[in-house]
Amino acid sequence: DSGVTQTPKHLITATGQRVTLRCSPRSGDLSVYWYQQSLDQGLQFLIHYYNGEERAKGNILERFSAQQFPDLHSELNLSSLELGDSALYFCASSLTGGSGELFFGEGSRLTVL
Amino acid sequence: AQKITQTQPGMFVQEKEAVTLDCTYDTSDPSYGLFWYKQPSSGEMIFLIYQGSYDQQNATEGRYSLNFQKARKSANLVISASQLGDSAMYFCAMREHNNAGNMLTFGGGTRLMVKP
Repeated sequence: DSGVTQTPKHLITATGQRVTLRCSPRSGDLSVYWYQQSLDQGLQFLIHYYNGEERAKGNILERFSAQQFPDLHSELNLSSLELGDSALYFCASSLTGGSGELFFGEGSRLTVL
Repeated sequence: AQKITQTQPGMFVQEKEAVTLDCTYDTSDPSYGLFWYKQPSSGEMIFLIYQGSYDQQNATEGRYSLNFQKARKSANLVISASQLGDSAMYFCAMREHNNAGNMLTFGGGTRLMVKP
């Protein structure tokens, strides 16, 4: 158990819909990262938040947005869903300093039909 | 250019034998970290081992060791005495010091299958 909690674990929805994925980082970790893992694109970095502030954006679509709240949990919002958005979405957190390994949640598997 | 390259999409190894999973990286940053993660069929990402670019010795964690060859920009993972539970996807990743986002960049992964 990494200590990172993601909900929901599985989600099935239709094209055009909107979903919200939630992540609670490990206790004490200020950084939250979101990654998307699809079969054809591998693990792609989406966005990084540190203590409530956006630090970096990766290959995140304009239809997607995220935020980190004062209690440090984070939400990833996916809207106008397309079939190609079907993927495993990971949240990860890390310590400030140290080697900086990421501790991943179990992922949220999104299926868009 | 790819920052992390894993050239072996899939590999077989006999149980109890050692196996090496290849990883090469590309960076001009003198300070960086290299990581290996394991992803079993259940999907979670499990951190295995870390190597810093300034570390003089190869990292080891139990049956895992990292064969770090800085000049060749390679960071191969060696798993000794393979077990059936080692069957999984393995990902190599890198963090560059000058990376403002501090995120890890992952390779495409290698699927390891351990034969009984």
